[in-house]
Amino acid sequence: KQEVTQIPAALSVPEGENLVLNCSFTDSAIYNLQWFRQDPGKGLTSLLLIQSSQREQTSGRLNASLDKSSGRSTLYIAASQPGDSATYLCAVRPEGSRYQLIWGAGTKLIIKP
Amino acid sequence: GAGVSQTPSNKVTEKGKYVELRCDPISGHTALYWYRQSLGQGPEFLIYFQGTGAADDSGLPNDRFFAVRPEGSVSTLKIQRTERGDSAVYLCASSPGLGDYGYTFGSGTRLTVV
Repeated sequence: KQEVTQIPAALSVPEGENLVLNCSFTDSAIYNLQWFRQDPGKGLTSLLLIQSSQREQTSGRLNASLDKSSGRSTLYIAASQPGDSATYLCAVRPEGSRYQLIWGAGTKLIIKP
Repeated sequence: GAGVSQTPSNKVTEKGKYVELRCDPISGHTALYWYRQSLGQGPEFLIYFQGTGAADDSGLPNDRFFAVRPEGSVSTLKIQRTERGDSAVYLCASSPGLGDYGYTFGSGTRLTVV
């Protein structure tokens, strides 16, 4: 059974720092991995999607990497800003699943001004 | 509409009561998904609709839960004889079809069973 783990559960850093969020999964048979952002009272927003054949994806100050064989992904946030404060979740789509996502519990990120 | 709309945003109900949660997807999106997110957890899959039919309801926890999408647009998640363990945020998402792109979530309904 696929399990997705995110460590740490919470992280607080001063504004301007670069930071890394971690996601690990137990079964390397995945089709892709996504990183989402969740703000209180709002829906989940997809940030980056990495196909299993890819190693990384970039969008602005965000860079996500995928090491499928070791079951790990990282989300790198450069020059963090208070507006980056949110909960970040990763989700994998297992091979053979056309739509189901298996989610981590998320990392709650606080950027202090 | 511009986004996925879920109503109500908050619902408090007594144990044993019946509740209905509504999801209005993006116009034209044929795929619709319901997830449940308990406090401190990631979302858990409940059910997937393609058009009017429930293509996969394997995530529904028991027969107290039921969902419909009669006209292939708005969906209603129905919970009978609610229990305190049903308390969670119920999330709805829609997409143009199967696949990972264009996956849009609503802001959820926070259900509290007292």
